[in-house]
Amino acid sequence: QLQVVQSGAEVKNPGASVRISCKTSASIFNKDYVHWVRQAPGQGLEYVGVSYPGGPTGSARTFLGRLTLSRDTSTNTVYMGLSDLKFEDTAVYYCATEEPRTGSFDSWGQGTLVTVSS
Amino acid sequence: QSALTQPASVSGSLGQSITISCTGTSSDIGSHNLVSWYQQDPGEAPKVIIFEGTKRPSGVSNRFSGSKSGNTASLTISGLQAEDEADYYCCSYAGGVDYVFGTGTRVTVL
Repeated sequence: QLQVVQSGAEVKNPGASVRISCKTSASIFNKDYVHWVRQAPGQGLEYVGVSYPGGPTGSARTFLGRLTLSRDTSTNTVYMGLSDLKFEDTAVYYCATEEPRTGSFDSWGQGTLVTVSS
Repeated sequence: QSALTQPASVSGSLGQSITISCTGTSSDIGSHNLVSWYQQDPGEAPKVIIFEGTKRPSGVSNRFSGSKSGNTASLTISGLQAEDEADYYCCSYAGGVDYVFGTGTRVTVL
């Protein structure tokens, strides 16, 4: 069964914001890094950012200023928020966990389709 | 950060060996040993098959092997099987909090 479960599909207007959740087990949440990767329709994988245990986060340069990553310790859930959505943000967004400093994205969520449409 | 360069497609016959290249720069592949490879079937999430350049997660077939030389990493699939038909992506740590993926390679089994 999935160790990482994401929230459902979203449809947003251009300029709006979206927040996606990624629920894990306590052991993963407290130890592993949680990365976000997106894939536009028919395209390749693109790195988005990372949430570390304890709260620090990092963002790929493409998303600086628009990306918000956060954690809820009461539910072992990591959140990814993206603001000022553009048509080209339409993609499947995945969360994936990494055992620290291995550079390996081990467990992936099922993906969340975000559609930006007017 | 520009995407790592992979061939768009590679094909091989059943039982054959194929190699997929992944070319980066001295800022990513050339500077770090954190290169990983992912297999993705249509409509599915990617699955890691190689990490730290050469290591295989448990449960991944030993027909998959990875290597690195300079700014280029490679994935070799030996004894090609029908179930290996998929998209393959390389990924490298690029310093700080950044990672970069490859452009992706579609593997076709003839």
